[in-house]
Amino acid sequence: TQLLEQSPQFLSIQEGENLTVYCNSSSVFSSLQWYRQEPGEGPVLLVTVVTGGEVKKLKRLTFQFGDARKDSSLHITAAQPGDTGLYLCAGPPSSSYDKVIFGPGTSLSVIP
Amino acid sequence: NAGVTQTPKFQVLKTGQSMTLQCAQDMNHEYMSWYRQDPGMGLRLIHYSVGAGITDQGEVPNGYNVSRSTTEDFPLRLLSAAPSQTSVYFCASSYNRQGVPYEQYFGPGTRLTVT
Repeated sequence: TQLLEQSPQFLSIQEGENLTVYCNSSSVFSSLQWYRQEPGEGPVLLVTVVTGGEVKKLKRLTFQFGDARKDSSLHITAAQPGDTGLYLCAGPPSSSYDKVIFGPGTSLSVIP
Repeated sequence: NAGVTQTPKFQVLKTGQSMTLQCAQDMNHEYMSWYRQDPGMGLRLIHYSVGAGITDQGEVPNGYNVSRSTTEDFPLRLLSAAPSQTSVYFCASSYNRQGVPYEQYFGPGTRLTVT
């Protein structure tokens, strides 16, 4: 059983559509980070959310941290083929704050 | 500023062989970590270090050793390679915010095959 769960596991959408991916846990996290990974490369940090209820925007991407700091979501507006990749959430759980644990990821494919 | 570097990029080992995966960072980050990535599993934490001279186990430490003699370097040693260790290995570093690792930067990965 993974500490962080992500859904959906796979997502294939048409260019221009909106989508939301979710990251959930039964544990409280000190912060949550979202990364995007492209094939053959290491993950690249997109954003960090720290405060419960926090919302951050990065161009067409909106990130939200749940009020209880146990979940997060990533919403993409008007998806583009360049958004294709593996989206990973990660963070240090409050119970073991010096370990950064990753979810299994959501693989997104945006079809032109 | 090279960020996080890893060598080698690719490696093929026979069962029972040992090897060291190298990782170095030039950002003066206190925190460094090693992950392995397998299909459908995301990244799993192998070992991590909160500073020079200090290491600890992650989620899947068996079969691996680490040491941290300097801030810059964090090598990962496979003691006796097994086919189950076939994976992609990533090293990462970050600074600490009030003792908590914050915003990790990843290397390009080492693709290891054990036959």
